[in-house]
Amino acid sequence: QQKVQQSPESLIVPEGGMASLNCTSSDRNVDYFWWYRQHSGKSPKMLMSIFSNGEKEEGRFTVHLNKASLHTSLHIRDSQPSDSALYLCAASMNYGSSGNKLIFGIGTLLSVKP
Amino acid sequence: EAAVTQSPRSKVAVTGGKVTLSCHQTNNHDYMYWYRQDTGHGLRLIHYSYVADSTEKGDIPDGYKASRPSQENFSLILELASLSQTAVYFCASSDELRSQNTLYFGAGTRLSVL
Repeated sequence: QQKVQQSPESLIVPEGGMASLNCTSSDRNVDYFWWYRQHSGKSPKMLMSIFSNGEKEEGRFTVHLNKASLHTSLHIRDSQPSDSALYLCAASMNYGSSGNKLIFGIGTLLSVKP
Repeated sequence: EAAVTQSPRSKVAVTGGKVTLSCHQTNNHDYMYWYRQDTGHGLRLIHYSYVADSTEKGDIPDGYKASRPSQENFSLILELASLSQTAVYFCASSDELRSQNTLYFGAGTRLSVL
């Protein structure tokens, strides 16, 4: 079973619209959540991180976190064609003497149509 | 800018052959990771390391070995390559995943096993 689940698997939104992506972990060892973005043919790059309950906004991007339910969501307002990419949710898990490891979800493929 | 360099960028290998993928980082990071990416599976963790001369198993270690001879270098070894190991492989480095630290990825290695 995937330790980090993302939904939906794919999403199409019109240019200027709102995209909402979800991510949940089933592992209580989770410490922190990140969102990475991967454009086609490129390597992933960190988009936003969130470590505390609540909301964090950076420009058109807003991230929410509910630590009790281990659920995070990413919202992109005024979506642009350049936002079309694979969005990966990642959670760090601490297993004591084995250190931290970062586990990724399958991703949500976002397409923004002009 | 953090730098992670992977070599080779692409490789064609024969079934049963030995393949070595190399990764070099100049970020002075303690943590290094190897992930593979397949369509529909996001990024899956193969091996990771948080100190030189020591490696840890990730979620899909079978069929792979890892070597961390120095802080800067981390290799992934496929002793007997199989068709199922055809994928894109990403190396990444980071500081300990405790705060705002992020993973920095290399450009990836596209491996085709025939």
